[in-house]
Formats: sequence, structure tokens, C-alpha cells
Amino acid sequence: AQSVTQLDSHVSVSEGTPVLLRCNYSSSYSPSLFWYVQHPNKGLQLLLKYTSAATLVKGINGFEAEFKKSETSFHLTKPSAHMSDAAEYFCVVSGSNQGGKLIFGQGTELSVKP
Amino acid sequence: DAGVTQSPTHLIKTRGQQVTLRCSPKSGHDTVSWYQQALGQGPQFIFQYYEEEERQRGNFPDRFSGHQFPNYSSELNVNALLLGDSALYLCASSRPGLVTNTGELFFGEGSRLTVL
Repeated sequence: AQSVTQLDSHVSVSEGTPVLLRCNYSSSYSPSLFWYVQHPNKGLQLLLKYTSAATLVKGINGFEAEFKKSETSFHLTKPSAHMSDAAEYFCVVSGSNQGGKLIFGQGTELSVKP
Repeated sequence: DAGVTQSPTHLIKTRGQQVTLRCSPKSGHDTVSWYQQALGQGPQFIFQYYEEEERQRGNFPDRFSGHQFPNYSSELNVNALLLGDSALYLCASSRPGLVTNTGELFFGEGSRLTVL
């Protein structure tokens, strides 16, 4: 069975400092992994995805994530936080090899202090 | 190009009632999935429709049912509402090619259901 665990429910950083949101996954087959962001009163938006190509994945708005099979991790990073990055972030694994069924983590709320 | 649109945006029901939520997928998308997001939780997969048939289903009771129309739009129906059904219901659409499609979903902004 597929699952993801987000290790922090809330992360607070200062503007201009690095962001690290941690995610571990479990999958019985080669996984597709995603990070989605949810701003208040907005729909979920895909930040980036890993689908067995390069292990370092670059996404929108300066975010990137590294797939580490040996550690079953897919942590999200950004070198310098911006106030507009404040949102809820979800680590997601594909729940089947048929597509469409995504399994979401519990979410990490990112706060950015001025 | 309109994205995924959902209606209504908010609604209030009482226990035991029935509700229907609607979704229009992004142009060019033929697969629609529904998710339930309880307050403070990640979304949970309810089911997926492709070619007007339910193709995958999550761990939700039969009170949750759906339909997909020839124009790819979809409805989510919930019968005999419980207090615990209060949540944000998200619709997501994806590109053609169900079997090989393990990629991105495009989400609507959701329908927020409150059950009193």
C-alpha cells in the first residue's frame, strides 16, 4: 500500500531564509510523487512531480525536491522564502498505477515571518 | 481557458438530507476524480470517473455515489448526510489516457459542505 508521512505539521521561517518541508513515503512499486500547495480559499496547485526521471526535481516558484530511494524521502526545499509562500503544502504519492488516485499527507502549514 | 469549476461553492444541509455537487473539468480533460478534505486534513480520494463509469473507488460508504455525463462533467451525490460529512469536496480533472496517466491533476476550488 502507498502512503506518505509529513514530518512537520507546521513550519515557521523568516523571509529570505531557506525552507525545508519533510516527507517520507511508502510504496510497493516505483512511485510517482508530488508536492501540491493550497493557499487559503484557493484550489490545490501542483508545485512539482517526480515520475522516475531525474531525482532532483525543479518546480514552480523556486521550489525543488529530491527523491532519495534509500531514505524513502521526498523533501521540499526553497533557498529563500517569500511572504507569498505562506500556505499549506501536501506531499502526495500516486495511489495506483492507473492514475488519478492520489494519496495525500496530512499537510504542513508554512508560515513566513517578515 | 476555464479551469475546473465546481458548484455550489458553499452549502448548508441538515442530517439525513441528500446533496448533489457538480463539477466541470478543464477543457480537454476526460477523467474526473472527487476528494473529501476535512478541516485540517489532507484530501481523501472518493472515486474516479472515466468514460462515464466509476473506475476506482476509495474507502467511502455507498452513501457516496457519482455520475459522469457525456460532456465529461460530473456529479457527486451524498445520501443520508451525517455530521462527519462536513468537509470541502474537491473535484480534479486529468488529461486523456487513463491507464498511463499518473501525472498532474487540476483541482477546482471546492464545494464547502456544512451538515448541521
